[in-house]
Amino acid sequence: GAGVSQSPSNKVTEKGKDVELRCDPISGHTALYWYRQRLGQGLEFLIYFQGNSAPDKSGLPSDRFSAERTGESVSTLTIQRTQQEDSAVYLCASSAELASGDTQYFGPGTRLTVL
Amino acid sequence: TQLLEQSPQFLSIQEGENLTVYCNSSSVFSSLQWYRQEPGEGPVLLVTVVTGGEVKKLKRLTFQFGDARKDSSLHITAAQPGDTGLYLCAGAITLGRLYFGRGTQLTVWP
Repeated sequence: GAGVSQSPSNKVTEKGKDVELRCDPISGHTALYWYRQRLGQGLEFLIYFQGNSAPDKSGLPSDRFSAERTGESVSTLTIQRTQQEDSAVYLCASSAELASGDTQYFGPGTRLTVL
Repeated sequence: TQLLEQSPQFLSIQEGENLTVYCNSSSVFSSLQWYRQEPGEGPVLLVTVVTGGEVKKLKRLTFQFGDARKDSSLHITAAQPGDTGLYLCAGAITLGRLYFGRGTQLTVWP
């Protein structure tokens, strides 16, 4: 399909372990976003990438969280030394350009459970 | 503290009823978007409003952006079971990030 894909769809890990979540944006989309959605909550912004510009990391909750993006393609979100409060659905979105009001297309998310 | 306060959090109604969902903020947004999310899926954009006072209609759904661009509403006329889902409002202030409300879980019973 041509939509945003994320992997894995589900991840169960033990407290203290590191996890990597992957996002494949829509081809040609220059902007990529990561959000976190806790149970019963709205989406919480984490980070976004736009082309070769420095990413906006202002939403990352702690230094245990980091993300990378290779050019205008795949992105990985890494959570080190996971904690139980990191349990959530992590959603990735991409848009054609970084513009206010531009449509963000979301992937299905990765459900992370930290035991 | 949520930048966008969305209400009600839960709404359970009978088929054929009308309903309104509200999003309010003390901040001014350059644009505001409404999404619908199904279980196990990411949010899907329904509409974007960018002009204060703007009204957009999508079949039985009517979206309004407040004159001061601080609030918005979603009105559904004659709700149907297929309208069941999580409705999210999201506002943009600066480029890139969206500020989401907590969502309204709508259930429409046949």
